[in-house]
Amino acid sequence: GAVVSQHPSWVICKSGTSVKIECRSLDFQATTMFWYRQFPKQSLMLMATSNEGSKATYEQGVEKDKFLINHASLTLSTLTVTSAHPEDSSFYICSAIARDRVYEQYFGPGTRLTVT
Amino acid sequence: KQEVTQIPAALSVPEGENLVLNCSFTDSAIYNLQWFRQDPGKGLTSLLLIQSSQREQTSGRLNASLDKSSGRSTLYIAASQPGDSATYLCAVASGSARQLTFGSGTQLTVLP
Repeated sequence: GAVVSQHPSWVICKSGTSVKIECRSLDFQATTMFWYRQFPKQSLMLMATSNEGSKATYEQGVEKDKFLINHASLTLSTLTVTSAHPEDSSFYICSAIARDRVYEQYFGPGTRLTVT
Repeated sequence: KQEVTQIPAALSVPEGENLVLNCSFTDSAIYNLQWFRQDPGKGLTSLLLIQSSQREQTSGRLNASLDKSSGRSTLYIAASQPGDSATYLCAVASGSARQLTFGSGTQLTVLP
C-alpha cells in the first residue's frame, strides 16, 4: 500500500512552453502533498506544500506564478511549470501524507524535466 | 529554520566492511527522521523511519539511531555489499505541515 505515482516520468519541452506534472496517491487519500526539486548532484529542496482544496504554500524563493500547483482532490496534485527555461531543468519529486498515517511521507518516482 | 547536515559527503569502502553514516539537525523539535536511499537518476527508497519518541530502528543489515536532544542520527550498515552503493539521504520532519528537510546526502561506494 501507500503508492504514489507521477506522470510523466520524463519530459522534454522547448523554452517558453508550459508543462504539467501529475502526482497521484493510488491507494490512499492524501491530505497534504509536497513538491520537491532536485538539481544534479544536489539534495531535494522543498518547493511547496499543498492541501486539498486550498492554495499551496510556497517556500521562499520559489515563484508561485511560475510553478502553479493545484490540489483539486484527495488523490491528485499537479505542478505546472509555466514559460519554462533551461534553468528549470531538474528532477521534480512529489510526496504525500495519508489521512490516517500522518507520520510518514510517501514519495513518487520523480519526473525528469529537460527544457531545451 | 531547520538545517540538516550529513557527513561524510562521500565514502568508499571495500565489500564486507561495517560503516556508519552521520546526520545532524539544528532544531530538535522534530516529528520523525527518515533515511532514504537514492540510486543515480532514480527516486527515493525509504529505508528506515524513526519517530521522535524512539531511539532506534532496525531493518536487516541496517540500523538507525536517533538522539533528538543532541540533534544527531546515525545509519549503520553491516557487512556492506556492492549493491549498497548509492546516495543515502537523511531527512527530518518538522513544522506545522510536517515538511521534510533533507541533508545533502552521503554518496557510498562499496568496492567488490
